[in-house]
Amino acid sequence: AQSVTQLGSHVSVSEGALVLLRCNYSSSVPPYLFWYVQYPNQGLQLLLKYTTGATLVKGINGFEAEFKKSETSFHLTKPSAHMSDAAEYFCAVGGFSGNTGKLIFGQGTTLQVKP
Amino acid sequence: DVKVTQSSRYLVKRTGEKVFLECVQDMDHENMFWYRQDPGLGLRLIYFSYDVKMKEKGDIPEGYSVSREKKERFSLILESASTNQTSMYLCASSYGTEETQYFGPGTRLLVL
Repeated sequence: AQSVTQLGSHVSVSEGALVLLRCNYSSSVPPYLFWYVQYPNQGLQLLLKYTTGATLVKGINGFEAEFKKSETSFHLTKPSAHMSDAAEYFCAVGGFSGNTGKLIFGQGTTLQVKP
Repeated sequence: DVKVTQSSRYLVKRTGEKVFLECVQDMDHENMFWYRQDPGLGLRLIYFSYDVKMKEKGDIPEGYSVSREKKERFSLILESASTNQTSMYLCASSYGTEETQYFGPGTRLLVL
């Protein structure tokens, strides 16, 4: 069965510091992996995704994530946090449901950025 | 750009009322999804549809039904609203073989 675990429901960093949001997955098939961001009172917006190919994936707003099969991880990083990065972040796994496009989402991590 | 719209941003209903939440996408996507989002629980799939008039239950379908009469529109129905259905409801769509889901802005429903 597929599942996603996001380690830490809340992460707090100072502006300019490294952002690291952790995601581990379980999948019986080669996974597709996603990170989404949700700003207050908005829907989810795709940050980046991994399907096949290069394991280091770059996304919008300076974020990137690395697919590590041996660790079943897909952690999200950004070298220098900005106040505008404060939001909720969701990791998701897909690739297991044929053409129905189902995704399994993690429980989310709220990122706080302190001035 | 893909656009997914939801009929209301905020909704207040009374217990026992029948509630309709509408979702429309403009990219001819085959797949459409309804989720509810609650603090600490992430997104939970209620129902999804992979074609017109086709639907499948997600993880938490109890108390909900759906309708997809046209490809671009996917409706979520609360047959008899209850206070435990107070939540944020998110609609999403995706192309058949492309699993990226595109989300609407959400409807925050309060059931009194």
